[in-house]
Amino acid sequence: KNQVEQSPQSLIILEGKNCTLQCNYTVSPFSNLRWYKQDTGRGPVSLTIMTFSENTKSNGRYTATLDADTKQSSLHITASQLSDSASYICVVSAGANNLFFGTGTRLTVIP
Amino acid sequence: GAVVSQHPSWVICKSGTSVKIECRSLDFQATTMFWYRQFPKQSLMLMATSNEGSKATYEQGVEKDKFLINHASLTLSTLTVTSAHPEDSSFYICSALPVRQGGTEAFFGQGTRLTVV
Repeated sequence: KNQVEQSPQSLIILEGKNCTLQCNYTVSPFSNLRWYKQDTGRGPVSLTIMTFSENTKSNGRYTATLDADTKQSSLHITASQLSDSASYICVVSAGANNLFFGTGTRLTVIP
Repeated sequence: GAVVSQHPSWVICKSGTSVKIECRSLDFQATTMFWYRQFPKQSLMLMATSNEGSKATYEQGVEKDKFLINHASLTLSTLTVTSAHPEDSSFYICSALPVRQGGTEAFFGQGTRLTVV
């Protein structure tokens, strides 16, 4: 069964600290994996996209890793800011028009 | 980048009335659009997959007669919540897959907050 699981469900960290969000998937075949950020009351916005051959990709303070062998991905946020408070969603594509969504991690950054 | 626009951004309606939400891909064509519902502090829940020119495919537990989906063109899909009830109050989001990219990236609309009173 194609599934995408994210952990933790929620996370609270102090401003300036780093954190790592996890995404494990059983989707096959694998096309790519994306991390999205969703602010409250807004639609998700793409942060990174990773294909099978990519191990790491950065977008500012966001760094995503992918281990295609173990089917795991992580999103590392460095020097968190209050504006990082949002839900982070992992989406795995099994090919055209075939997307599988994780349930998301709700991150709260407190001053 | 690809832009998906939803309209309206928010709507308040009376119980028993119907509400239509539009999802438009502004600078690309999309044969497939997805409709999601999101309750507070929960992740996106796929409601249905909308394919241009054909009937939508609904996820289990989603009433197709209550949530009418029309995908009449490659740039527009609509979701109509019929006979809305307070429990239908939620955040509705659409996403669209560009035809040109082979449909592997979903671009999301900004969402529509529906409140049924």
